[in-house]
Amino acid sequence: AQKITQTQPGMFVQEKEAVTLDCTYDTSDPSYGLFWYKQPSSGEMIFLIYQGSYDQQNATEGRYSLNFQKARKSANLVISASQLGDSAMYFCAMREGLQGAQKLVFGQGTRLTINP
Amino acid sequence: DTGVSQDPRHKITKRGQNVTFRCDPISEHNRLYWYRQTLGQGPEFLTYFQNEAQLEKSRLLSDRFSAERPKGSFSTLEIQRTEQGDSAMYLCASSLGTGFYNEQFFGPGTRLTVL
Repeated sequence: AQKITQTQPGMFVQEKEAVTLDCTYDTSDPSYGLFWYKQPSSGEMIFLIYQGSYDQQNATEGRYSLNFQKARKSANLVISASQLGDSAMYFCAMREGLQGAQKLVFGQGTRLTINP
Repeated sequence: DTGVSQDPRHKITKRGQNVTFRCDPISEHNRLYWYRQTLGQGPEFLTYFQNEAQLEKSRLLSDRFSAERPKGSFSTLEIQRTEQGDSAMYLCASSLGTGFYNEQFFGPGTRLTVL
């Protein structure tokens, strides 16, 4: 079963509008972390925002915020006031547990295109 | 530049040849990860080192793949007898490995094309 599901292969948004990228996850571990990464065409994965399973408040980082709904197992990324430079692939990822490798499991990504 | 670096950035090889990639993590990071990303997919975990010890390997890592981190600093990933299915972006990441956050910092990747 998919641990991370991103149901939007592509999104098109007008510049300056807000955009929400969806992510749902599946885990039975009570301790987990959720990450969002941006991957521009150059290929490098750029960390955007993190949400821990025990965090009481939704994470925010500048124009990025994470809409964390634990009961629904969703962790949607919200980008406010989108800019042309936001055009890229966006990946949601999960890390399970506090021990071991703590490897990241990624979704398939959403390609975001910001139109001028 | 104190980020994660990878070399080479691009590699084109013929089927059956051996290739080796290098990753230099952020200097104080004790954890190092290798991921593989094929076109249109998210990265998939290959293997993980804590210091010089290789502690976990994915089933994706066939016998033709070997990774080392001899002194707990840089790491190499070797693919022997390359196949066309090995064509992918190979990403390296490092982390401090402490705390619940444990953010992984990624390098720019090595794009492998097997002809």
